Amino acid sequence: DQQVKQNSPSLSVQEGRISILNCDYTNSMFDYFLWYKKYPAEGPTFLISISSIKDKNEDGRFTVFLNKSAKHLSLHIVPSQPGDSAVYFCAASGSRDSNYQLIWGAGTKLIIKP
Amino acid sequence: ETGVTQSPTHLIKTRGQQVTLRCSSQSGHNTVSWYQQALGQGPQFIFQYYREEENGRGNFPPRFSGLQFPNYSSELNVNALELDDSALYLCATSRDRGSEQFFGPGTRLTVL
Repeated sequence: DQQVKQNSPSLSVQEGRISILNCDYTNSMFDYFLWYKKYPAEGPTFLISISSIKDKNEDGRFTVFLNKSAKHLSLHIVPSQPGDSAVYFCAASGSRDSNYQLIWGAGTKLIIKP
Repeated sequence: ETGVTQSPTHLIKTRGQQVTLRCSSQSGHNTVSWYQQALGQGPQFIFQYYREEENGRGNFPPRFSGLQFPNYSSELNVNALELDDSALYLCATSRDRGSEQFFGPGTRLTVL
């Protein structure tokens, strides 16, 4: 039973355009959501997070949107750059304090075309 | 912040054997979490250690065990290896239990 789903295994976007990565979850008890980025042969690195009390969080080129009623979150990257090519994971937990108990999606491979 | 290292990088074992994977903690980090990432899937939480005590455990059998040492480095031990244990094993350290986690590059385990 996948509680966190990333339905697009891959996404190809032109450099300079907006990249939108999507994530759906089924557990309404999830309270804290994170996005991680992973390059080959490296561990995941934290990108941005959002608490369920918010519907948007922005950090530079990265914005995460949360729609609790739809149990859906998305990561927007604008403008997309070649260095953004990586696998992106969304993850969820019951609270920020227990963020180690993360439930992860399967990841979306983002390819930025020059 | 960077600096979490894992050893070995790759490992090949046969069914029934035992394996020990190691993780060095970043300076100032007292918490370590271990994850298993099977091919094509996201990481799955195995367990977390905080100040040498287990602080939480995911849905993994007892043959997965761990240790955290006084210098906060850590080991993951897996006994009676099964084919399905083939995966990338990631460790992540953090300043505290609820803090941002910093991941190592992982150990690729293949069980034949």
